[in-house]
Amino acid sequence: GESVGLHLPTLSVQEGDNSIINCAYSNSASDYFIWYKQESGKGPQFIIDIRSNMDKRQGQRVTVLLNKTVKHLSLQIAATQPGDSAVYFCAEGSRSSGTYKYIFGTGTRLKVLA
Amino acid sequence: DTEVTQTPKHLVMGMTNKKSLKCEQHMGHRAMYWYKQKAKKPPELMFVYSYEKLSINESVPSRFSPECPNSSLLNLHLHALQPEDSALYLCASSQTGQGASNQPQHFGDGTRLSIL
Repeated sequence: GESVGLHLPTLSVQEGDNSIINCAYSNSASDYFIWYKQESGKGPQFIIDIRSNMDKRQGQRVTVLLNKTVKHLSLQIAATQPGDSAVYFCAEGSRSSGTYKYIFGTGTRLKVLA
Repeated sequence: DTEVTQTPKHLVMGMTNKKSLKCEQHMGHRAMYWYKQKAKKPPELMFVYSYEKLSINESVPSRFSPECPNSSLLNLHLHALQPEDSALYLCASSQTGQGASNQPQHFGDGTRLSIL
């Protein structure tokens, strides 16, 4: 079946450095992509999204890049802080049965080292 | 605090019990979702409701029965569950509905379910 993302890796970064988290997707019909942050004991929290007619979108300290040619998505976090430690998921959205269906990638654990 | 409220936060039940999980949102969202999440795994889509009608069922076993009584509420009725059904059950909502443009989902903090 369709799948999104890589096997769960762990990314360790020094506080203050930039972080880059990657995600691969396989459904060429997906036209909407979201990055979520999930902290222990909580539900996924929306970080940033991007539509397929864009290749870059910036938020506060975060940037999402979309490469539709190779079906790749990345999340860049500038000046990583201890509060950024969490599991990050990408999700791809595609239209299905008149609504939107979202499939999550396997996730990346980000550890921020003091 | 999230804008999607799930109750209870924790639930322990036996395999012969019947229980329900509840989800509520007051953001006016017309699409609501149930996900199952096992430890160290991504959320897996179970059901999608659009305008209070079931639009997607991801081949979920019939021991899970969703219900959407109105646009603000989503229930998941549980009966005769198996130990492997122990997981975090997440509810989400979005503005996405039939014909609407895509919008991000807002998640609750989930119900931690343990089947004895």
